This record gives sequence, structure tokens and C-alpha cells, in this order.
Amino acid sequence: RKEVEQDPGPFNVPEGATVAFNCTYSNSASQSFFWYRQDCRKEPKLLMSVYSSGNEDGRFTAQLNRASQYISLLIRDSKLSDSATYLCVVSGGSYIPTFGRGTSLIVHP
Amino acid sequence: DAGVTQSPTHLIKTRGQQVTLRCSPKSGHDTVSWYQQALGQGPQFIFQYYEEEERQRGNFPDRFSGHQFPNYSSELNVNALLLGDSALYLCASSYGQGTDEQYFGPGTRLTVT
Repeated sequence: RKEVEQDPGPFNVPEGATVAFNCTYSNSASQSFFWYRQDCRKEPKLLMSVYSSGNEDGRFTAQLNRASQYISLLIRDSKLSDSATYLCVVSGGSYIPTFGRGTSLIVHP
Repeated sequence: DAGVTQSPTHLIKTRGQQVTLRCSPKSGHDTVSWYQQALGQGPQFIFQYYEEEERQRGNFPDRFSGHQFPNYSSELNVNALLLGDSALYLCASSYGQGTDEQYFGPGTRLTVT
């Protein structure tokens, strides 16, 4: 089993739709969780940290489920500009971060 | 406020050669991590430098080495290049040891022929 797994997609949704991505991880000792956004041929950019209590930033909501070992990202009211690849990152106590391969989102008019 | 910068942007090398990539961290950051990203994959952690020492290392051979300078900038060196080393090499900076809240540079695209 891979350390961090994501459905590569693509997720193809219309503008205004709500879309959710999951990311599962295998190391139960993992302590830090993040979502990054990567546009085509660009560098990853930090989207948000993921906290145990869940956190929200505008249209984006991140959740952590330690019991089932997954994190999720919910995007509400999708915009064309949300089209990108979304990468989850999981770090354990040794601080070696592991990225998922990313989930591709395409938002169409 | 300058972000993370990397040089060069693109590089073409021949199998067996050696390459050096450079990174300057975001202002106020003291930790630099290097990643390799193959097409269609997520970034893979190579190593992290903090206080001029390699602190953590991913699953990469000794052909990959690095250095951090007193001004926190860093170099990644790859010896005996293989075709499989062709990838986007990303540098990320953060504050303090660990990898929380990293900021990435634009990357160096290395092609090995």
C-alpha cells in the first residue's frame, strides 16, 4: 500500500458545483497534514493546513479523520480558476513529508 | 518580499555528467528542502537542510548531495546523471526545522539525454 494515496481523477465539474477529494495515508504516526494546489508546469502552492478540528477558508474546507486515516478537501461553488491539481501532504514525526500524486480538477463553464 | 528563487530554469545534460542546482529561500526562512517531481507524480522528498546540515533524507542514492550556506541558500548536486533523473527539481523553504508550511520555488526542469 502506498504511503499517501489520492484518486488522480480528473474530476470534471461545472462551475458552481461542490467537489470533494480524499487522501488516505498509511502511517498512523503522521502529525502534519496539508493541501497544496499546483497549476500546470508551475510550483505547488500551499492551500491550507489541515487540523483535527477541521478548518475552513472561504469556499474551501479541510477535514482530518485520524481513525480512518484520511484527509479531505471540499470546494464549494467551483470557479474556472479552481482548475488545477490538488496535492495532499502528510508528515510523520521524522518530518519527512510524503506527497500524494495529486488529484486533477477541471471546472468547465 | 522576495519569494523562493531557483536557478537555472531549464537545464539539459548528458548521461554521466554532473549538475548543480541553486535555491535562495524566502526572506525570513532558514530551512531548505529539495524535491524531485516526475511528470504526473507528486514531489518526492530528497533531503532537508537546516543550520547548514542535512537533517532528513528521503529514499535517494548518494549521487544526490547538497549544501546549505550561511545565508541559508542551498545547492543540490547530482553526479553520474541517469536518464531517469530527468524531472522538475523543486526547492521549498520554511522556518525552523521540520517541513510545516513550505513555500516552493518555480523549479528547475532538468533533462538528461
